[in-house]
Amino acid sequence: RKEVEQDPGPFNVPEGATVAFNCTYSNSASQSFFWYRQDCRKEPKLLMSVYSSGNEDGRFTAQLNRASQYISLLIRDSKLSDSATYLCVVSRYGGATNKLIFGTGTLLAVQP
Amino acid sequence: DTEVTQTPKHLVMGMTNKKSLKCEQHMGHRAMYWYKQKAKKPPELMFVYSYEKLSINESVPSRFSPECPNSSLLNLHLHALQPEDSALYLCASSQDPGLAGSEQYFGPGTRLTVT
Repeated sequence: RKEVEQDPGPFNVPEGATVAFNCTYSNSASQSFFWYRQDCRKEPKLLMSVYSSGNEDGRFTAQLNRASQYISLLIRDSKLSDSATYLCVVSRYGGATNKLIFGTGTLLAVQP
Repeated sequence: DTEVTQTPKHLVMGMTNKKSLKCEQHMGHRAMYWYKQKAKKPPELMFVYSYEKLSINESVPSRFSPECPNSSLLNLHLHALQPEDSALYLCASSQDPGLAGSEQYFGPGTRLTVT
C-alpha cells in the first residue's frame, strides 16, 4: 500500500464545474500537508498548504481530517487553466530532516 | 521571490560521459533537495542537504554524486549513467529543514536523456 493514495483520474469536467479530489495517508507521524499542481512536462508548483481548520484561497478550498488521515481539495468554477495533475503531499520526519511524500497525482482535464 | 533555477534545461549524454546538473536559490533557504521524476510518476526523493551537509541519501546508486558548495548552490554529478536514468531531475529548496511545515519550491528541472 502506498503511503499517500490518490485517485489517478482522469477527472474530465466542464468549465464552471466544481470538482473535489481526495487523498489518504497511512503514516500517522505525518506532520504537514500540501497540494501541488504540476502541468505537463513542468515542475510541481505549490498550490496551498493544508491546515486542520481548513483553508481557502480563491476558488480552492483544502481540508484536513487528522483522525481519518484524509485530505481534500475542492475547486469551484473550474477554468481551462486548472487542467493539470494535482499532487497530494505529506511531510514527515525522515530520520535526519523532514521529507515530502508524494501521492501519484490526480489528473484534471477541464473541457470547454 | 520563490525562484529556484536549474541548468541545463536539457541534457543528452552517453553512458561513458561525465556531466553535472546545477541548481541555485537565493531565498536564504537552508535545505536543498534532488528529485528524479519519470513520466506519469510523482517525484522521487534522491538527496537532501541540510545546512550544506548531506542529511538524506535515499539509497541512490553511486553513479549519482551530489555536492553542496555553499548554501545557495547544489550540484549533481553524473557518471556512467544507464538509459533507465533518463528522467526529469528536479531541484527544490525549503527554508528550514527541521520545520515540518516548511514549504518546498521546485526549479524547472533538467530533462536528461542517456543514450
